Amino acid sequence: GQNIDQPTEMTATEGAIVQINCTYQTSGFNGLFWYQQHAGEAPTFLSYNVLDGLEEKGRFSSFLSRSKGYSYLLLKELQMKDSASYLCAVRGYSTLTFGKGTMLLVSP
Amino acid sequence: EAGVAQSPRYKIIEKRQSVAFWCNPISGHATLYWYQQILGQGPKLLIQFQNNGVVDDSQLPKDRFSAERLKGVDSTLKIQPAKLEDSAVYLCASSSRLAMDEQFFGPGTRLTVL
Repeated sequence: GQNIDQPTEMTATEGAIVQINCTYQTSGFNGLFWYQQHAGEAPTFLSYNVLDGLEEKGRFSSFLSRSKGYSYLLLKELQMKDSASYLCAVRGYSTLTFGKGTMLLVSP
Repeated sequence: EAGVAQSPRYKIIEKRQSVAFWCNPISGHATLYWYQQILGQGPKLLIQFQNNGVVDDSQLPKDRFSAERLKGVDSTLKIQPAKLEDSAVYLCASSSRLAMDEQFFGPGTRLTVL
């Protein structure tokens, strides 16, 4: 089975940097995804890591350490529109298991 | 490219009634997923199709939930009879290849069971 842990809530200030952590225990690993979900909307894809290291995409970066069962999502130059839930999801053999999500609130 | 379509967007029913949701995936996507998302939680996979075959339905409450994907395109998810704890958003997603690609989500159907 899969077990995924991430903080429930985080707050940050506009223009700052925030790091959202995710730890996981899994039987079978074929990659880790980060999704963004605004209130009342569907999740949208942010990043995918299957090998150890950092993947950078604009203001967002994602890091993976398979040996530690650990990932983080780094958001730079925070904007008000970044207020959303951030979902960590692990792919096992064929299915995706989501964490409960981290609600990020960005304040002026 | 058109996204994943779902209908209805909202549904309110009383417990013990039945309800059906419809999903049309992105054209050409072979893999289709139904998720249940309860408020404050992440999406939970109910069933996964590859074309019109079931890949995983281990978390589908089969005594009341059923799903089909005729002709490997559209899919319907049915609940009969509904319980209060079925109140949730039902998300449909699709991807082009099993296990490898990002999933694209539809807008979801918000179900309220009274």
